Amino acid sequence: NAGVTQTPKFRVLKTGQSMTLLCAQDMNHEYMYWYRQDPGMGLRLIHYSVGEGTTAKGEVPDGYNVSRLKKQNFLLGLESAAPSQTSVYFCASSYPQRETQYFGPGTRLLVL
Amino acid sequence: AQSVSQHNHHVILSEAASLELGCNYSYGGTVNLFWYVQYPGQHLQLLLKYFSGDPLVKGIKGFEAEFIKSKFSFNLRKPSVQWSDTAEYFCAVKPYNQGGKLIFGQGTELSVKP
Repeated sequence: NAGVTQTPKFRVLKTGQSMTLLCAQDMNHEYMYWYRQDPGMGLRLIHYSVGEGTTAKGEVPDGYNVSRLKKQNFLLGLESAAPSQTSVYFCASSYPQRETQYFGPGTRLLVL
Repeated sequence: AQSVSQHNHHVILSEAASLELGCNYSYGGTVNLFWYVQYPGQHLQLLLKYFSGDPLVKGIKGFEAEFIKSKFSFNLRKPSVQWSDTAEYFCAVKPYNQGGKLIFGQGTELSVKP
């Protein structure tokens, strides 16, 4: 049982490049989330999904897209990376509503 | 707008000192409350949570937190900290019936001197 895994662990992009971050969970959780963590700002929700085939915007969705084609995977895409997207990205998953969220190890992204 | 405020950005303590980290939230409805910890270089781990019942909840590693509904607060406490408690601590609130979204505070960095 690996829990929540994220790939890649670290990536450097140039401004304007695109990339996809992959999150996978093996706990059969319905809900999945993408957060970004920036110093002094805690974690902010980018997008989330309450089930396969559904996605919704969080607090800071601009510049990102997501897809949830399979229940166990949640992809975060950057179509045209900007330096402001330099951050640590965390994925999380949970059962619906009241349950605890379990976090992945994070992806460090540097946009030059 | 819903928000979570952690009063201290950086706390420095000596080993065996007592700890209290403040957390206040702005939301009038039912909430679930969490404290997460992030050790250096690691991902977030759940420290403790409050869903209902006894407002004093106990978590792992000797931590506890008290939910005071009238003050919209959920402060974290530990009677005697250890060097291994050095980490960043995040308070989070989950408003009920909002798709499971967590709203995080900005975090408090705790440094414990041996």
